[in-house]
Amino acid sequence: QKEVEQNSGPLSVPEGAIASLNCTYSDRGSQSFFWYRQYSGKSPELIMFIYSNGDKEDGRFTAQLNKASQYVSLLIRDSQPSDSATYLCAPYTGNQFYFGTGTSLTVIP
Amino acid sequence: DAGITQSPRHKVTETGTPVTLRCHQTENHRYMYWYRQDPGHGLRLIHYSYGVKDTDKGEVSDGYSVSRSKTEDFLLTLESATSSQTSVYFCAISPQGVSNQPQHFGDGTRLSIL
Repeated sequence: QKEVEQNSGPLSVPEGAIASLNCTYSDRGSQSFFWYRQYSGKSPELIMFIYSNGDKEDGRFTAQLNKASQYVSLLIRDSQPSDSATYLCAPYTGNQFYFGTGTSLTVIP
Repeated sequence: DAGITQSPRHKVTETGTPVTLRCHQTENHRYMYWYRQDPGHGLRLIHYSYGVKDTDKGEVSDGYSVSRSKTEDFLLTLESATSSQTSVYFCAISPQGVSNQPQHFGDGTRLSIL
């Protein structure tokens, strides 16, 4: 059983602050890691992915990966109310994506 | 947006009836996936396909079957629906099964079984 653990939240941050979302995974064979955002009642949409140890930045988003610790995180800088959503972590292993249950983020104006 | 269409978008049916959900893509992607999403469980893989007539089971495949006779269509069938299969079903596609290619999701089908 491949486990993906995320803090379910809810995580609340004030507008303009940095939101930090964390994810741990059990399968050391996981090669790539994807972050999806899901608004209530909508389908998941890709934010970014990372497959090398270290940081990867895309606009206000930074993904961080530490394979030795089996840990991946997503930082959202200058958080906006429109960032309020559930964020899903998804490691990829063996033709399959394994999803965590997601972290609910609320950005308070 | 990735060209993925799920149909129907909403369906209410009774226990014991057969149900088929359709996923249609216009991207010519090799991989197609069916997930269900339930509160407290996140997205769970039901079945996936890696080519025409090539399918494999996921984590929660019991009670479901799939077929893929054309690259663009992936069908999910509940042979005899049960109330435990009430869920939101998402189809996803991916160009190929390599590690750095993300999935893109359809808009989902909300299925209620009474």
